[in-house]
Amino acid sequence: EIVLTQSPGTLSLSPGERATLSCRASQSISSSYLAWYQRRPGQAPRLLIYGASSRATGIPDRFSGSGSGADFTLTISRLEPEDFAVYYCQQYGTSRLIFGGGTKVEIK
Amino acid sequence: EAQLVESGGGLVKPGGSLRLSCAASGFNFGIYTVNWVRQAPGEGLEWVSSLSSRSTYIYYADSVKGRFTISRDNAKNSLYLQMNSLRVEDTAVYFCARYAPGYDGNGYWYFDLWGRGTLVTVSS
Repeated sequence: EIVLTQSPGTLSLSPGERATLSCRASQSISSSYLAWYQRRPGQAPRLLIYGASSRATGIPDRFSGSGSGADFTLTISRLEPEDFAVYYCQQYGTSRLIFGGGTKVEIK
Repeated sequence: EAQLVESGGGLVKPGGSLRLSCAASGFNFGIYTVNWVRQAPGEGLEWVSSLSSRSTYIYYADSVKGRFTISRDNAKNSLYLQMNSLRVEDTAVYFCARYAPGYDGNGYWYFDLWGRGTLVTVSS
């Protein structure tokens, strides 16, 4: 069964810096069925990216997704104060629905 | 504005039961597949169950199969999760989440709308 591994576990950065988050699958994900979510404490998770690289409605263009096969990346080009949160990747499609363990982006 | 609001969480003893509800508003609830997803303290997200728009397709995670039952009432714009034989490891925040448009009923999809969750604590 597919396992999603996110790295790093925690990313300490300053506002304005670039964040690069990795999501690695134990086997190739078909059709790039990979999504990214943001979770702020006490708030509902928010869809950022689907299909590995398509931005969800209303998501600022500083968020971008890339990758294919088993390696995927979420990039936040310039961190805003509201971007400090936990980010999860999710695999979907026919085989299984699983989430990665999350990457926390914290203020340095 | 589309919204999902969960309720019904609380403290329950191991072996007990609890029923969660999710109230939908601001969109046509009856045409969407909806789900329950949970997050245990300090852990990641775990999908629990899916229910298609007309209750044709129902899926459960192995960890809850036989103990949890998902249902919906489209007339009331509501989703439910009946949880029986609860275990300590079921302790989590439970989220209601909507599949994004485009889901054809096969396999799994991604979520475009989530609620804020309701906390279930299973402890003696």
